[in-house]
Amino acid sequence: DAGVTQSPTHLIKTRGQQVTLRCSPKSGHDTVSWYQQALGQGPQFIFQYYEEEERQRGNFPDRFSGHQFPNYSSELNVNALLLGDSALYLCASTILNPGQTSGNTIYFGEGSWLTVV
Amino acid sequence: DAKTTQPPSMDCAEGRAANLPCNHSTISGNEYVYWYRQIHSQGPQYIIHGLKNNETNEMASLIITEDRKSSTLILPHATLRDTAVYYCIVRVSNNQGGKLIFGQGTELSVKP
Repeated sequence: DAGVTQSPTHLIKTRGQQVTLRCSPKSGHDTVSWYQQALGQGPQFIFQYYEEEERQRGNFPDRFSGHQFPNYSSELNVNALLLGDSALYLCASTILNPGQTSGNTIYFGEGSWLTVV
Repeated sequence: DAKTTQPPSMDCAEGRAANLPCNHSTISGNEYVYWYRQIHSQGPQYIIHGLKNNETNEMASLIITEDRKSSTLILPHATLRDTAVYYCIVRVSNNQGGKLIFGQGTELSVKP
């Protein structure tokens, strides 16, 4: 059973460029979230997708956008890259049970390391 | 902001039990306590979670106080591979499946 998979594992971009990161959720999962982790910090929630819509969003600018596909996979797009966007980007997945408020375990991928120069 | 407080670092001797404390004094009645760990440069790994009762799995045990204001993660026989940052997280719950708010975590060093 494949877990959460992300690609690419590492990439380098120049300031002002755009980047797309990809995620396939764990088998059977329908909800995908994205996190940003700067060096020495805990992961910060960016947004969550369910049924191809953004359901929750953290405190990130509109330069950060996403998409979820019918097969539940997801992309994170970051436009107009800044040096401060250099970080580990983590994808996480779970199963959403409407009406159940908690208890479904969230699993993480190994992340995509983005360096902006 | 994270709803949990953890010591920034701890040491443990290899083979001994590692007891990692966490305070979550403002936890709500329907919020779970989750523990994850993150080994350097890898994604966070789920360890265990609980609501009220103590929980045990193949990785660890979770002890939650009766008032639910604190908990302790126990690694019964720590190995060098358990060296990692451990995050205690109170699950923000809503109908959208919840998100995780990470704090700074506890950096556990297991020493030979």
